[in-house]
Amino acid sequence: DTGVSQDPRHKITKRGQNVTFRCDPISEHNRLYWYRQTLGQGPEFLTYFQNEAQLEKSRLLSDRFSAERPKGSFSTLEIQRTEQGDSAMYLCASTYQTGLAGNTIYFGEGSWLTVV
Amino acid sequence: AQKVTQAQTEISVVEKEDVTLDCVYETRDTTYYLFWYKQPPSGELVFLIRRNSFDEQNEISGRYSWNFQKSTSSFNFTITASQVVDSAVYFCALSERNQAGTALIFGKGTTLSVSS
Repeated sequence: DTGVSQDPRHKITKRGQNVTFRCDPISEHNRLYWYRQTLGQGPEFLTYFQNEAQLEKSRLLSDRFSAERPKGSFSTLEIQRTEQGDSAMYLCASTYQTGLAGNTIYFGEGSWLTVV
Repeated sequence: AQKVTQAQTEISVVEKEDVTLDCVYETRDTTYYLFWYKQPPSGELVFLIRRNSFDEQNEISGRYSWNFQKSTSSFNFTITASQVVDSAVYFCALSERNQAGTALIFGKGTTLSVSS
């Protein structure tokens, strides 16, 4: 049973460029989350999907950010026109969610983004 | 208002010492879930424990133990006979049933350094 995998693990990009991160959740997990973590802080919620539907976005997710989960399996997070403030680690997580219970959420190793 | 507070930013101990990491949370929900995660330098968030609000029993797993007290809204984590491999950032997190997606709300983390 493989865990949550993310690609790439590290990305350095110039300001203004677009970047895309991919997340492959644990198979059969129906819920997928994206978080952002900056140095010295805990992860902050960005958005989540229930199967292929994106059900909520945080205020942190500006218009330059877009996430998709087209077939309810893998997900992508794209950042357009990157800014230095986007430098952070982007974490993907997944769970099998039934009802309203707070099931255990499993995280990937994260994708580090550095905008220069 | 911060919902999860980890007042200890950094803790340094010598191997074999016991150490307690504090976590105080705030919620109005009657049903909620509390978690601890470990984040080693590699970046991946490793799940340690999940506790629901109706289960106040303390839990022990090897050298790890957790003390959940609803009266003080605390969910503290103790490592007994610490080891160098315990060095990491530890996060406490809250999941509220009424929060969309039951997404985790993290504290800022406590960095534990165990020296030999």
